[in-house]
Amino acid sequence: AQSVTQLGSHVSVSEGALVLLRCNYSSSVPPYLFWYVQYPNQGLQLLLKYTTGATLVKGINGFEAEFKKSETSFHLTKPSAHMSDAAEYFCAVSDRTGGFKTIFGAGTRLFVKA
Amino acid sequence: DTAVSQTPKYLVTQMGNDKSIKCEQNLGHDTMYWYKQDSKKFLKIMFSYNNKELIINETVPNRFSPKSPDKAHLNLHINSLELGDSAVYFCASSQTSGTGELFFGEGSRLTVL
Repeated sequence: AQSVTQLGSHVSVSEGALVLLRCNYSSSVPPYLFWYVQYPNQGLQLLLKYTTGATLVKGINGFEAEFKKSETSFHLTKPSAHMSDAAEYFCAVSDRTGGFKTIFGAGTRLFVKA
Repeated sequence: DTAVSQTPKYLVTQMGNDKSIKCEQNLGHDTMYWYKQDSKKFLKIMFSYNNKELIINETVPNRFSPKSPDKAHLNLHINSLELGDSAVYFCASSQTSGTGELFFGEGSRLTVL
């Protein structure tokens, strides 16, 4: 069985500060890992994903995440927060079998202060 | 052209009524899903269809009945609505030959009074 834990339901940063959103996963098979962002009253959209290969993955809007197998982590970072980054962020894991059952973490709400 | 579109965007109804939500994707994907997002933003998979065949059914009450007339459409019918059914329902699609990335619709907010 797979699971995802996001540490911190709310994270608040100042504009221009580092953003760090934490995600740990559990999977009995090599996982696919994702970060999705949800803006108010919208659906989720993909920020970035790890499938195979390079463990540091870059996504849209300046975000990146590093897959660390030994720590079973996939933390999301951005060097400098912008007001427009305020949103709900979801870490997700899926297996590689047909059907791609994706399990989502509980989400982290990012607040950006001016 | 919206990739994954859901209708309606909002539903407000009384307990005991029946309602349907429709979803269509124009991405050519072979797998479609229904997710439920509760008031705390928690996302839970409900159903998944691959080429019109049900492949995931996650302990959802049988008042919920999905139907996939073709691989571009997935509908959700809910009978005898209860207060606890109030949530945002998201349709999503993916391609099994891809990397599992999900493409989401904008959601259908259901409020049961």
